[in-house]
Amino acid sequence: AQKITQTQPGMFVQEKEAVTLDCTYDTSDQSYGLFWYKQPSSGEMIFLIYQGSYDEQNATEGRYSLNFQKARKSANLVISASQLGDSAMYFCAMRETSGNTGKLIFGQGTTLQVKP
Amino acid sequence: DSGVTQTPKHLITATGQRVTLRCSPRSGDLSVYWYQQSLDQGLQFLIHYYNGEERAKGNILERFSAQQFPDLHSELNLSSLELGDSALYFCASSVGAASSYNSPLHFGNGTRLTVT
Repeated sequence: AQKITQTQPGMFVQEKEAVTLDCTYDTSDQSYGLFWYKQPSSGEMIFLIYQGSYDEQNATEGRYSLNFQKARKSANLVISASQLGDSAMYFCAMRETSGNTGKLIFGQGTTLQVKP
Repeated sequence: DSGVTQTPKHLITATGQRVTLRCSPRSGDLSVYWYQQSLDQGLQFLIHYYNGEERAKGNILERFSAQQFPDLHSELNLSSLELGDSALYFCASSVGAASSYNSPLHFGNGTRLTVT
């Protein structure tokens, strides 16, 4: 069964430093998408970055990059130059293709706190 | 703004009551997914509709039901409410289903349900 694992319940980072949030996944699908979402304390779910299973290059979106290691089934999020506004819960998710639904499966999330 | 509209934002009701949560997907999106987020269970997939048809069911209780209408908006009906149903309920939309695994789900801002 598909599964997403985030092993860091909470992380601290100093403002302006980089931080890596870990994510490992398990799937038997050949085609899948990996996503990171940010959930601030206000509650909304904000899409950050995407990596496809066939993509050879790591995805980047501004200060966000995804360190994709397919053989190790990991998709870590790297946030560079952390800002106070980055304090939030971060979810790694996988969009499956089996079962003809394409639903997202989420990890348990990592709470990131940025210190001034 | 994700383009997904959920109403109401907040709902407070008593045990045993019935409520309806409404979702309007992004223009052009045919898939609607419902998720429940509670503190102890994380983000749980409830149900998926594609162009009016139910595609998949997740951890959805029998007391809960959903439908997607011809104009593609969706409603999630929760009945015989219990204290444990208190949670944040999200609707998300996508242009397709499993074949769109390389596209993100776009989330509404959620409906926060409190059962007293």
